[in-house]
Amino acid sequence: AQKITQTQPGMFVQEKEAVTLDCTYDTSDPSYGLFWYKQPSSGEMIFLIYQGSYDQQNATEGRYSLNFQKARKSANLVISASQLGDSAMYFCAMTGPGSARQLTFGSGTQLTVLP
Amino acid sequence: SQTIHQWPATLVQPVGSPLSLECTVEGTSNPNLYWYRQAAGRGLQLLFYSVGIGQISSEVPQNLSASRPQDRQFILSSKKLLLSDSGFYLCAWSKRDRRIFGPGTRLTVL
Repeated sequence: AQKITQTQPGMFVQEKEAVTLDCTYDTSDPSYGLFWYKQPSSGEMIFLIYQGSYDQQNATEGRYSLNFQKARKSANLVISASQLGDSAMYFCAMTGPGSARQLTFGSGTQLTVLP
Repeated sequence: SQTIHQWPATLVQPVGSPLSLECTVEGTSNPNLYWYRQAAGRGLQLLFYSVGIGQISSEVPQNLSASRPQDRQFILSSKKLLLSDSGFYLCAWSKRDRRIFGPGTRLTVL
């Protein structure tokens, strides 16, 4: 069975600083995908970044980067130059085996950016 | 570009009443479709997924059901709502490994 663990229920960061949100995973499937989503108070689930298990380089999308350490089974999200609008809940997720490749989500990290 | 719609956006229903939530996808064909539920302050729980018309897989036993009458339409239903059905319901589609979520429906059962 797959499992995603986010050990930080809440994080604070000063505006313009970088922050790392932790995510570890467990799977026996050699082929998987790792995702990070942002959920503001409106409830919308916003896709941020994706990393495939066979990708050689760490994924980057603007101010977001994914620190993928396959041997340690970790997929931490790094947000550089934090902005007030980054305050939200952040979820790590991974795809499962099978044709539907359904997502398994972590419990989330509430990030608060301080002015 | 692909877009995903859900309606209604919010819904307040009495216990024991029926439910029908609709999700439609535009700009893609033959997507995988998913229904998730998020209880207040919690993560997402997968309820149903579908890989094609009429093909529904259930992840958890419950009084909800799902149907896929058309390629880009996914419906979540219940004959009699329970208090525990309250939550935020999100529809998502995927093709290959890209996952996009709809805006969600906030359901309150009283």
